[in-house]
Parts: sequence; C-alpha cells; structure tokens
Amino acid sequence: SQQGEEDPQALSIQEGENATMNCSYKTSINNLQWYRQNSGRGLVHLILIRSNEREKHSGRLRVTLDTSKKSSSLLITASRAADTASYFCATRGSNYKLTFGKGTLLTVNP
Amino acid sequence: GAVVSQHPSRVICKSGTSVKIECRSLDFQATTMFWYRQFPKQSLMLMATSNEGSKATYEQGVEKDKFLINHASLTLSTLTVTSAHPEDSSFYICSAGRLAGTYEQYFGPGTRLTVT
Repeated sequence: SQQGEEDPQALSIQEGENATMNCSYKTSINNLQWYRQNSGRGLVHLILIRSNEREKHSGRLRVTLDTSKKSSSLLITASRAADTASYFCATRGSNYKLTFGKGTLLTVNP
Repeated sequence: GAVVSQHPSRVICKSGTSVKIECRSLDFQATTMFWYRQFPKQSLMLMATSNEGSKATYEQGVEKDKFLINHASLTLSTLTVTSAHPEDSSFYICSAGRLAGTYEQYFGPGTRLTVT
C-alpha cells in the first residue's frame, strides 16, 4: 500500500475555521514534508519536519510528527478562501526520494 | 532562490508523435532531477530520477524506452514522451534537488500533456 496517506480525502470548512489534515506512513523516515497544490498548478512547499522533531510552526501552519505512530498532522488556523487547494504529505526515507500521499482536498467557503 | 521552470506549460500533440518537456533550475545547480506524473485528482507518482551525466533510474513499471530522460547539465533535464498515446495524457512535474542537508526538492510548475 502507499506510503503517506492523508485523511480526510476531502474537507470543507467555513472561512475562519481551523482545518486539520492527517498523514500516515509505513516505513521509517528522515523527514516529512507538506505541500499545497492549487488546481492544475505545481506544488508549493509549505513546511518540513525532521524525524527528530515533534512540532513545527510556520505562520498559520502547525505540523506535528509522531514517529511512534508514524503519523503527522497539518493544522491551518483561521482559514481563508485562498487556502482552498489540495494538500499532500511526502516522506523522505534514507534515500533522497519523496513518496507522496494521496492528498486532502480542502475547500474553504467564504 | 531555488526556482525551477518547466517548458512548455501545456502541450497538445497527436497520437504517435513525440513531445519533449524541459525542466530547468534557474538559480542553482541541481545534481539530481526528478520526474513525476500526476493523473487528475490523484497524487504524484515518481517516474524516474536523473543525475547529471548519467543514465536515469526508472521506477518500477515505467517504460524507459517510452519516457526518455536526458540530464545533460546541472541546470537542465528533459523528458521526451515517445510515440505518445491518449493514455499518456497527464500532468508531468519535475523537481530539482540538492543532495545535501535535508535533500529538499524544488518543484516546477508542471506541464499538462494532452494526446489526441
């Protein structure tokens, strides 16, 4: 099965609410990264968390990593309509390859 | 910094023809470039890894004779889809990486290929 699987697959919220997306993976990792992709566009790197880190913040983003559970979460606080996009987690193991999850489609309604 | 471009952004070609997609790292030297494929509403799947000056390494299930990759310089990699078929229609995304530190990859904006 696929390394890096997000849930939920789709999430619809109102502007101003918080959005939480989860990612699970199966093998050991060096780091885990979150990306955003607007429809039909390339990827935007949001945040990277190393395997020895448990939490990281960047603006309205908060990422947690639990290596014992092989899971990560991405929290977007005070969401905006412009946050509407697909969000992917990607894991990097001992090599330099990234393995992407299936993604969460976030819709923020104005 | 760390800007990666792709050209063209969109291409339509007829079945049986070949099409080349370029990936350039504009402000850094990329020792390694990666090519991904993304079908609508699906995730990115790694197709191959290319290192400057050497043959590309293809992921399982990817036909090397159909998807030709050339990485002639530290700033340019090309993907040529040969004898394209409608099922090759997809979004192709490249990334360029520096094999140091966190091994971060920088992604291009993608190329939408439509084969008619």
